[in-house]
Amino acid sequence: EDKVVQSPLSLVVHEGDTVTLNCSYEVTNFRSLLWYKQEKKAPTFLFMLTSSGIEKKSGRLSSILDKKELFSILNITATQTGDSAIYLCAPGPENSGGSNYKLTFGKGTLLTVNP
Amino acid sequence: EPEVTQTPSHQVTQMGQEVILRCVPISNHLYFYWYRQILGQKVEFLVSFYNNEISEKSEIFDDQFSVERPDGSNFTLKIRSTKLEDSAMYFCASSDLRDYEQYFGPGTRLTVT
Repeated sequence: EDKVVQSPLSLVVHEGDTVTLNCSYEVTNFRSLLWYKQEKKAPTFLFMLTSSGIEKKSGRLSSILDKKELFSILNITATQTGDSAIYLCAPGPENSGGSNYKLTFGKGTLLTVNP
Repeated sequence: EPEVTQTPSHQVTQMGQEVILRCVPISNHLYFYWYRQILGQKVEFLVSFYNNEISEKSEIFDDQFSVERPDGSNFTLKIRSTKLEDSAMYFCASSDLRDYEQYFGPGTRLTVT
């Protein structure tokens, strides 16, 4: 059974701050790591990471994976109030094509960005 | 942009009653999932479904739960005899053959009284 631990559980910052969210995982057969953002309702996909040390970026968000240490971080620079959400990570499928897989999410990090 | 839809958005039911939660996955997707999130807790996997049969289910998905794809568009989750502890947000998700991303619906909040 995959295990995921995220830290911190919650974080309160001011607009403009930079934050780093952590995800450590234990999996029997690593395939990939996914990051999701959950605002009021459904989780929405952010990143998929499969290779160690390669940074994925989307605007102010970036993520990097350390397969050796079984660890990933999500960075958000120049935070905005719209970044307030729960950020979830989960081990994912093989990179090559779709597959039927279950997502085992961590408890998530609740990020609150105050104006 | 295509999206997963779920109905109803909120369902209130009495303990012991049967409920059916409905989902319309994205039209060309072939893999379907149900997850649930009890208030304040993490999102938990319930079941995955492909080719008209269950692929995998969690320990939570006991004999009280069932899933069905009654036609070409709907995907349903039935809880036969609801318990108080079934109160949660239920999310449907779907994915396709070529992609790894699961697309989540907005959820159905189930309240069992």
